[in-house]
Amino acid sequence: QKEVEQNSGPLSVPEGAIASLNCTYSDRVSQSFFWYRQYSGKSPELIMSIYSNGDKEDGRFTAQLNKASQYVSLLIRDSQPSDSATYLCAVNRGGATNKLIFGTGTLLAVQP
Amino acid sequence: DAGITQSPRHKVTETGTPVTLRCHQTENHRYMYWYRQDPGHGLRLIHYSYGVKDTDKGEVSDGYSVSRSKTEDFLLTLESATSSQTSVYFCAISETEKQYFGPGTRLTVT
Repeated sequence: QKEVEQNSGPLSVPEGAIASLNCTYSDRVSQSFFWYRQYSGKSPELIMSIYSNGDKEDGRFTAQLNKASQYVSLLIRDSQPSDSATYLCAVNRGGATNKLIFGTGTLLAVQP
Repeated sequence: DAGITQSPRHKVTETGTPVTLRCHQTENHRYMYWYRQDPGHGLRLIHYSYGVKDTDKGEVSDGYSVSRSKTEDFLLTLESATSSQTSVYFCAISETEKQYFGPGTRLTVT
C-alpha cells in the first residue's frame, strides 16, 4: 500500500463545474497536508495547506480533511480550462525535517 | 520559482560520467531537498539538508550524493550516471512545513 494514494485520472469536468480531487494516506500520525498544482513541464506550485479536520477555503479552492478516515480532498469551484493540470497531494508526518510524502497526482482536464 | 534557481536546466550526459546539479536559493531557508519525478512514481525524495553541512538520505538515495557548504547552495552529484537516473530533478526549500520548488532540471543519461 502506498503511503499517499491518488487516482491518476484523468478527471474530466466541464467548465464551470466543481472538480473534486481525492487523496488517502496510510500513516495516522500524519500532521499536515498540502495540495500542489503542476502544469505540464513545470514545477509543483503550492496552492493549499490544511492542518485540522474540516474545511479550509481560499478563493475557488476548498481543502477538506478527515483524519479519522485518513482522507483529504480538494474542491475547485467554477472550474476553468486554466485549472487543467496535475494536482499532487502531499503529507507531512511530523518531525523536525519537514519531509513530505507525495502522491502520484491526479490529472484534471477542464473542458471548455 | 521565485528565489530558487536550478542549473543546468537541461543536460544530456553519457552513462558512467559524473554529473552535478546545483540548487541556489535567495530566501535563506534552512531546509533544502532534492527530488526526482518519474511517470508513475511521482515525486520521490533523494536527499535533504537541514543546515549547512547537515544532510541526510531520502527514499531513493542510492547513486546520489549531496553537499551543502553554504546556506544558499545545495548540490546533487551523480557519481557515475546510469540510464535509470534519467529523470526530472526538482530542488525544494522550506523554513516551515511548506515546501517551494525550483524550476527543475531535465537530465537524460544516454
